[in-house]
Amino acid sequence: AQSVTQLDSQVPVFEEAPVELRCNYSSSVSVYLFWYVQYPNQGLQLLLKYLSGSTLVKGINGFEAEFNKSQTSFHLRKPSVHISDTAEYFCAVSDQGGGSYIPTFGRGTSLIVHP
Amino acid sequence: SQTIHQWPATLVQPVGSPLSLECTVEGTSNPNLYWYRQAAGRGLQLLFYSVGIGQISSEVPQNLSASRPQDRQFILSSKKLLLSDSGFYLCAWRGQGFSEQYFGPGTRLTVT
Repeated sequence: AQSVTQLDSQVPVFEEAPVELRCNYSSSVSVYLFWYVQYPNQGLQLLLKYLSGSTLVKGINGFEAEFNKSQTSFHLRKPSVHISDTAEYFCAVSDQGGGSYIPTFGRGTSLIVHP
Repeated sequence: SQTIHQWPATLVQPVGSPLSLECTVEGTSNPNLYWYRQAAGRGLQLLFYSVGIGQISSEVPQNLSASRPQDRQFILSSKKLLLSDSGFYLCAWRGQGFSEQYFGPGTRLTVT
């Protein structure tokens, strides 16, 4: 069984400041890792994914994440945020090789960017 | 390219009324399909998933049901809605051989 912990329910930050949204997971097998973004009253949009290979993954909208196997973490970062980045961010993990690929989602982190 | 549709976008229904939410996917074949519910201020709860026509797995026993009458159509139903059924319902699909899910725009259901 897997679990995902998003350590911060809310992260306030000023525009143009850097931000890190933290995600830790637990699993007994190799995993795929994802970050999704959800704007108000919309569906989730894939930001980036880690499947294998380089542990630094770049995604859309200037976001990147780093997979750290020893710390079982997959933190999301952006060097300079915009007002438009205000949204809910979800970390998710799924087992490699699982036929139905049902991911486990974290409870989400609300990123609030202030002017 | 692939597209996922959900309708209606919003719905207000009285307690005890029936429900039918529809999800369709375009541009792919034999996708895995998923229904999630998102209650206010909370994360995602997987309700049902399907790996093929007529194949439905339920993750949470409740008064909801799901059906997949066609390869790219996924329907969420209820015979009698409860107040606790209110929420944001999301449909998602995953292509064969791919790891990530893609989500629809969602349906906001308010049970009064």
